[in-house]
Amino acid sequence: DVKVTQSSRYLVKRTGEKVFLECVQDMDHENMFWYRQDPGLGLRLIYFSYDVKMKEKGDIPEGYSVSREKKERFSLILESASTNQTSMYLCASSLSGIGRELMNTEAFFGQGTRLTVV
Amino acid sequence: QQQVKQSPQSLIVQKGGISIINCAYENTAFDYFPWYQQFPGKGPALLIAIRPDVSEKKEGRFTISFNKSAKQFSLHIMDSQPGDSATYFCAASTLNTDKLIFGTGTRLQVFP
Repeated sequence: DVKVTQSSRYLVKRTGEKVFLECVQDMDHENMFWYRQDPGLGLRLIYFSYDVKMKEKGDIPEGYSVSREKKERFSLILESASTNQTSMYLCASSLSGIGRELMNTEAFFGQGTRLTVV
Repeated sequence: QQQVKQSPQSLIVQKGGISIINCAYENTAFDYFPWYQQFPGKGPALLIAIRPDVSEKKEGRFTISFNKSAKQFSLHIMDSQPGDSATYFCAASTLNTDKLIFGTGTRLQVFP
């Protein structure tokens, strides 16, 4: 059974703290994603990684950084948490579709981390 | 700037009715269009997907209609059931990158 595991379901942090959100997948997927989900705004891509140590900015990377030192683990870092980063954070992984034109690039999601910054 | 625009934001349908959710995109490089379903407290899960070489794809009660010239695609849920009550997201990605861009979501409620 495929699995994407996020380290925390709920997190409360103070303004200015450095926050780490961890995500691990056990499917040997090349791609990993971090999204934030807010009512009325849908799923917005923060960062995308297509290989170890490789990353690409999404639509809203400001205030965030990422780390992918191992294929199975993708970390989202809030350098200095602010109240406007209070949100649901979702991690996902998928098999690379590059060079596999007919391959299904289904993304598998974790259950999310509800982060509250106070 | 929203790369994939989704409507309506919410939808209420009677049991047995047809639910229709629409999406539009601008980037003609998009070539993979999945729909994801999310239940409360869970992450989204793939429901059905289409590539632009076909105009329609059907899986059970779920159908994607795709209009390449209009840059629009839609999800139809036939014979809607209370168990279909969830949030639905359309998405898109391109052939040369797996970066998946989502729409804003539609909250569907099906009443008995």
